[in-house]
Amino acid sequence: AQKITQTQPGMFVQEKEAVTLDCTYDTSDPSYGLFWYKQPSSGEMIFLIYQGSYDQQNATEGRYSLNFQKARKSANLVISASQLGDSAMYFCAMSDTGNQFYFGTGTSLTVIP
Amino acid sequence: GAVVSQHPSWVICKSGTSVKIECRSLDFQATTMFWYRQFPKQSLMLMATSNEGSKATYEQGVEKDKFLINHASLTLSTLTVTSAHPEDSSFYICSALQGIYGYTFGSGTRLTVV
Repeated sequence: AQKITQTQPGMFVQEKEAVTLDCTYDTSDPSYGLFWYKQPSSGEMIFLIYQGSYDQQNATEGRYSLNFQKARKSANLVISASQLGDSAMYFCAMSDTGNQFYFGTGTSLTVIP
Repeated sequence: GAVVSQHPSWVICKSGTSVKIECRSLDFQATTMFWYRQFPKQSLMLMATSNEGSKATYEQGVEKDKFLINHASLTLSTLTVTSAHPEDSSFYICSALQGIYGYTFGSGTRLTVV
C-alpha cells in the first residue's frame, strides 16, 4: 500500500506567488514524522521542514510552512513568495516506527518569471 | 547541523568492474544508514538499511550479492556495486539517522556504467 501520495506530478507558479504542494499519508502508527525535501537538478536532497505527529502547531521554516491536517492525513507544503530558485522536485516523506522512511513520487515545481 | 558526506559524486566505470561508494557522517554517530536508488524523474527507492556492526537489511528485489553494504563503524557505510552493468547506472544516495527523526542525506553519487 502506498504510504505517501503526491498527486501533482508537475506544478507551475508565478514568481512571488504562493504555491501549495499536496501530500497525503497512510499509517496506523500514532507516532510518526512528516518531512518535505527539495531536490534540485544537482540531485542533493535538501531538508525543508518537519512535522511530528504530536505537534499541535503547524511547522514553519521561513517561506515554508506545513499545513498539517491530522484527521485528513494530509501534510501539504506551502511555499510563500516563490522565487526562481525554488524550481526543483519536491518530495514528501514519512517515518513511522521501525525507522522506515517512505517517499512520495514527487512534484516538479517550476517558477515562472 | 548534521552533515553526511558521500563520495564520489559521480563515477564512470566499465561493465564488469566494481564500484565502491562511501557515506560518512561527519559530526555525529549514525547507528543506522540507508541506501537509496533513484532513476531519472522518479522517487527514491530504498535499497537497504544498514546498522553498524550487523548485516544490512535489503528490500525485496534488491540483490544482496550485487549491492554489498558494509557498516563497519558508526560514521561510515559503504555500498559496493559488484560486476556493474549498464542497467546499474543510476543515482545512488545515502542517508544517516541521528536520534529518532534526524535523517540527513548525502549529496548522492551518479553512476554510469559503460
